[in-house]
Amino acid sequence: AQSVTQLDSHVSVSEGTPVLLRCNYSSSYSPSLFWYVQHPNKGLQLLLKYTSAATLVKGINGFEAEFKKSETSFHLTKPSAHMSDAAEYFCVVSQSGGGADGLTFGKGTHLIIQP
Amino acid sequence: SQTIHQWPATLVQPVGSPLSLECTVEGTSNPNLYWYRQAAGRGLQLLFYSVGIGQISSEVPQNLSASRPQDRQFILSSKKLLLSDSGFYLCAWSGQPRDEQFFGPGTRLTVL
Repeated sequence: AQSVTQLDSHVSVSEGTPVLLRCNYSSSYSPSLFWYVQHPNKGLQLLLKYTSAATLVKGINGFEAEFKKSETSFHLTKPSAHMSDAAEYFCVVSQSGGGADGLTFGKGTHLIIQP
Repeated sequence: SQTIHQWPATLVQPVGSPLSLECTVEGTSNPNLYWYRQAAGRGLQLLFYSVGIGQISSEVPQNLSASRPQDRQFILSSKKLLLSDSGFYLCAWSGQPRDEQFFGPGTRLTVL
């Protein structure tokens, strides 16, 4: 079985400061991992994905995430927050046999950017 | 490039009325298709998925149903809406079950 835990339901940072959104996963096999972003009343947009290549993955809008197998983590970071980054972020794990559709979504982290 | 459409964007319906939400995908063939519901302040709940025409799998028992009459068309329906059916409905597609999914813009459903 697989699972994903987003450790913070809300994160608040000031504009221009670093962002860290934490995600831990549990997987019996080598997983694929994704981060999605959702702005209010919009669909989810893929930020980045890890599929067993480089452990440091760069995504859109300056975000990146590092796959750490020993810590079973896939934290999302950005060096400098922008007001437009305010949104809901979802960590997702995928593995073969992990479920009907193979994807398990975290409950989301709401990112707040203070001016 | 691939695009995914959903309509309507918003919908307000009385309790007990029928429902039909439509999702279409362009630019790909034989996609895996998914319907999710997102209740206020909560994560995503997978409702249905389909690996091909006429092939529907349900994840959660409810008064909703899904159909896939064409390769790139996915429809979510209900004969009688409940208050608890209110939420944000998202359609998504993927190339393979384990791949990343690409989401449509969503439909905001309010049942009164």
